Amino acid sequence: GPKVLQIPSHQIIDMGQMVTLNCDPVSNHLYFYWYKQILGQQMEFLVNFYNGKVMEKSKLFKDQFSVERPDGSYFTLKIQPTALEDSAVYFCASMYRANERLFFGHGTKLSVL
Amino acid sequence: GDKVKQSPSALSLQEGTNSALRCNFSIAATTVQWFLQNPRGSLINLFYLVPGTKENGRLKSAFDSKESYSTLHIRDAQLEDSGTYFCAARNTGNYKYVFGAGTRLKVIA
Repeated sequence: GPKVLQIPSHQIIDMGQMVTLNCDPVSNHLYFYWYKQILGQQMEFLVNFYNGKVMEKSKLFKDQFSVERPDGSYFTLKIQPTALEDSAVYFCASMYRANERLFFGHGTKLSVL
Repeated sequence: GDKVKQSPSALSLQEGTNSALRCNFSIAATTVQWFLQNPRGSLINLFYLVPGTKENGRLKSAFDSKESYSTLHIRDAQLEDSGTYFCAARNTGNYKYVFGAGTRLKVIA
């Protein structure tokens, strides 16, 4: 089936540093998402993105967070600066149209020390 | 409160038996998706639903938008069905999917 790739699978950084999580969505997809999951618990919506812009974001999408997809390349989530509570698995997802299936990547485990 | 409530929160099934998982919505859900998060952490899309039912092999899912719930039926459970099942719902006017807390399913031999 369609594959969403996330790079890296695990990232360890020191608190206060910047981190960029990369997502390679399915090639013809138009809607992109980031979700946060802590310890295998609930999937928490962070943000979605379409046509070069953020459509919706949650309260978890703090001012330190930003997303972009320059020139149709990776869809990225940047956290600057990171905090201890940012430690989680971040999942990227994409879909072609609003009324179709959402496909997830395997996640990037972020450990902030 | 919880906008998407899943039940049960955990379930243990004997191999070969059947079960049903449920999601109740307090949002005006228009589309629902069901996912399986396997023990390795990957999320597999099982169903995309508008009101109605769909079937795929041993899995069958229904979504009733008027009564605000969705179900996932597992028939003849196999060991590889083990994992966490999530439902997620979207309502008209936005594009975000709100997830339930999941049902942790363990199938035992």
